[in-house]
Amino acid sequence: KAGVTQTPRYLIKTRGQQVTLSCSPISGHRSVSWYQQTPGQGLQFLFEYFSETQRNKGNFPGRFSGRQFSNSRSEMNVSTLELGDSALYLCASSSIAGGIGEQFFGPGTRLTVL
Amino acid sequence: AQKVTQAQTEISVVEKEDVTLDCVYETRDTTYYLFWYKQPPSGELVFLIRRNSFDEQNEISGRYSWNFQKSTSSFNFTITASQVVDSAVYFCALSGSGGSNYKLTFGKGTLLTVNP
Repeated sequence: KAGVTQTPRYLIKTRGQQVTLSCSPISGHRSVSWYQQTPGQGLQFLFEYFSETQRNKGNFPGRFSGRQFSNSRSEMNVSTLELGDSALYLCASSSIAGGIGEQFFGPGTRLTVL
Repeated sequence: AQKVTQAQTEISVVEKEDVTLDCVYETRDTTYYLFWYKQPPSGELVFLIRRNSFDEQNEISGRYSWNFQKSTSSFNFTITASQVVDSAVYFCALSGSGGSNYKLTFGKGTLLTVNP
């Protein structure tokens, strides 16, 4: 069974630009969650999608948005990038919604904002 | 709001020593789930265990064991006879059962270094 894949793996952007990250979950998983990992704040929940519906959202500004497609693939978008958005963005998939099941994580996308 | 505290930021041990990683959680939900994840230097988080709030039985899996105590809101993780391959960041996490708590909340993690 293929694992969770994330593209791209590395990204360098400048302030003010926008970025789209992609996540392909494990086949059959309908839940996709996104997390931001930084040295200062640790792992923080961004949002979860289940069957194309956003189930829950973390405490992030509206510049952070996402969506899920009918094949469960998910994208995350960050508009008007700020230096503080530099982080490792992790995607996780699960067969159960709400973070209560085992989550399978992808390798992450390392975003650097200059 | 739910919260997970891992007071130990870094732990360093010598191979074959036993080590316990502490985790204390806060939640108002009566039904909740606790997890441990491992993040090796390669970066990808790996699931280790899940416990629900109604199951306080301790669990052992090889060299790993977990001690869940609701009375102290703790879910500690012990590695027996540690090995260099155990070196990683370990995260304790909590998910509640409804509303805004229906998501994984992670502790800040404990960096474990096992020296040969």
